[in-house]
Amino acid sequence: QQQVKQSPQSLIVQKGGISIINCAYENTAFDYFPWYQQFPGKGPALLIAIRPDVSEKKEGRFTISFNKSAKQFSLHIMDSQPGDSATYFCAAGYNFNKFYFGSGTKLNVKP
Amino acid sequence: GAVVSQHPSRVICKSGTSVKIECRSLDFQATTMFWYRQFPKQSLMLMATSNEGSKATYEQGVEKDKFLINHASLTLSTLTVTSAHPEDSSFYICSAWTGASDTQYFGPGTRLTVL
Repeated sequence: QQQVKQSPQSLIVQKGGISIINCAYENTAFDYFPWYQQFPGKGPALLIAIRPDVSEKKEGRFTISFNKSAKQFSLHIMDSQPGDSATYFCAAGYNFNKFYFGSGTKLNVKP
Repeated sequence: GAVVSQHPSRVICKSGTSVKIECRSLDFQATTMFWYRQFPKQSLMLMATSNEGSKATYEQGVEKDKFLINHASLTLSTLTVTSAHPEDSSFYICSAWTGASDTQYFGPGTRLTVL
């Protein structure tokens, strides 16, 4: 059973546009929701993370929106740049421990 | 930020041989290390969780006798793929948790190809 569902599978955005990736989870015990960025042949790198007591968190061009009642969270990338082209994974975890990853979204930002 | 290294970055081996992959936390002590497997264009699948000095906890469906994990110190965990077969070819990624922060820090991954 997939613990975290992520969409879309792929996304094409023009330079300067907004990229939006969505995730949904089932387990209400999850208390930590990170987003990771992965380039081909590399390990994932933490981008931004949020806890369920906060509805939104912003770091630079990256914003997480969190809807606890709907059990959904999303990543918004403002002013998307070609260098943002990568695969993005959402994840959910609890007890500072086991993470469950979404299926990934391949983002392509066109110049 | 915290740095995690993996060695080797790439390995090619013959079917039936064993391969050891090292995961090191370079600038912090890792209470817990995790091993993931990632197939091309797919997500990361957690294989096992290891705590220093104790036996690893394997996820359902992961053969503990095939994927041996040793977490001998707070900075080193090893994954040994025993009697490797072509279907074991994959990208193996470790991560480490400091115990003092919220997140896991990932290594760069090891590409295993079994011929």
